[in-house]
Amino acid sequence: EVQLLQSGGGLVQPGGSLRLSCAASGFRFTNYAMAWVRQAPGKGLEWVSSISGSGTSTYYADSVKGRFTVSRDNSNNTLLLLMSSLRAEDTAIYYCAKSGASGTLFSHGDYWGQGTPVTVSS
Amino acid sequence: QSVLTQPPSVSGAPGQRVTVSCTGTISNIGAGYGVHWYQQLPGTAPRLLIYDNDNRPSGVPDRFSGSKSGTSASLAITGLQADDEADYYCQSFDSRVRGPVFGGGTKLTVL
Repeated sequence: EVQLLQSGGGLVQPGGSLRLSCAASGFRFTNYAMAWVRQAPGKGLEWVSSISGSGTSTYYADSVKGRFTVSRDNSNNTLLLLMSSLRAEDTAIYYCAKSGASGTLFSHGDYWGQGTPVTVSS
Repeated sequence: QSVLTQPPSVSGAPGQRVTVSCTGTISNIGAGYGVHWYQQLPGTAPRLLIYDNDNRPSGVPDRFSGSKSGTSASLAITGLQADDEADYYCQSFDSRVRGPVFGGGTKLTVL
């Protein structure tokens, strides 16, 4: 059974940093790209970042480029998102998602984590 | 402002058929990239309903179907049920964004 278990998140001051984790199980982790998708309160889904199965290719939305870093630890089947220089507009629930197709690029999310809230406020 | 355009809301009575539209451009849907649909119940993570335009993952009822034509796509739900009430999102890939793009979401109300 595929499972994505998220941890991290919480309350952080503007300008601060936070790290999110997503522990994967039930599939061959290295075979699939992964993504982070966020949802601000009362708003729709927004892609944040993607990473290839090997971890060598990473992609970011313009809104987070230069501030967020996605990585993966394939030996421990874990996806990570390091968020720095956080702003109020980064407040959202953050989801990790597994690509439904093999390949370098994230295609669609066939499995999603439970979500973790991030609040940026003083 | 979302890259893909969806109506904010649709509604229908139990047993009826409803459709949700998703309009893109030549850099996403019109470029031939697949369209995917998600259902999100309040307070839960999105659930994949349709992938690659018209494919249903196992466990998704055949009341849900997808189609694509040109720069647009549609999700159809037949035999509407009360527990279909949720937000629905379309998603594709955009060559200018170089990543996935979503529609703004459509709230389905079952009357």
